[in-house]
Amino acid sequence: SQELEQSPQSLIVQEGKNLTINCTSSKTLYGLYWYKQKYGEGLIFLMMLQKGGEEKSHEKITAKLDEKKQQSSLHITASQPSHAGIYLCGAAESRSNDYKLSFGAGTTVTVRA
Amino acid sequence: GAVVSQHPSWVICKSGTSVKIECRSLDFQATTMFWYRQFPKQSLMLMATSNEGSKATYEQGVEKDKFLINHASLTLSTLTVTSAHPEDSSFYICSATRDRGPKGQYFGPGTRLTVT
Repeated sequence: SQELEQSPQSLIVQEGKNLTINCTSSKTLYGLYWYKQKYGEGLIFLMMLQKGGEEKSHEKITAKLDEKKQQSSLHITASQPSHAGIYLCGAAESRSNDYKLSFGAGTTVTVRA
Repeated sequence: GAVVSQHPSWVICKSGTSVKIECRSLDFQATTMFWYRQFPKQSLMLMATSNEGSKATYEQGVEKDKFLINHASLTLSTLTVTSAHPEDSSFYICSATRDRGPKGQYFGPGTRLTVT
C-alpha cells in the first residue's frame, strides 16, 4: 500500500498568515487527494491532483503536485479561523485501483486570532 | 448532493456485546463503500471495501469474523463489531463512491465507539 508522510505534524499560525503543508510518497502518486477533517467528524474533500506539475486553487487554498508526482503541497493564503482543522492527504493505491486510498497521518492546523 | 450519513454518531457498549453501525448514501447509489478506523491523532486506516451484493474485501490484519460487513443495498452498508472489547474503541468512518475514481468518494461523519 501507499505510504504517505505529511509534514509538519501540526502547526500554529497567526490569523492572516500563510501556511504550507507537505505530503511525500516514496512511490509515484497516481492520484493525490487533499481532505480537511475537524476532530471527531468526517472528511471534507478539498482537491484532487493527477498530473505532474498540476496546480489547483479554490478560494485561498492552493494544492500542487510536483513533476515527479511524488510530493504535493497544500498552501493556505491569509489563513482564517475557518481554516483550522486536520488536513489529510490521500493517494490512490495504483493506476488500476484508483478508488482505494491510503492516507497520511494528517497535519493539525491551529489559527490564532 | 452526495451526502453520506452514519448512525449512530456515538455509542457506548459493554465488553462482550455487539454493536452495529450503519452507513447510508442519502442521495445517490453507492456502488462501493469503504470502512475506515481512526485512532486519536492518527490517520485513517482502511478496514474493508464493500461492494453491493458481494462479500467485503478485508485489509490485511482485519478480522472479518469480528468486523462483519453487510452491503445489502446500493444505499446501505453496515459494520457490526462483534464481541466488542475496549481495544475496539475507536472512531469508525465510512465512505461511498458512485463513480469510478476517488473524487467520487464521499465520507460519512463518523461513529465514535467506546467499549467499557
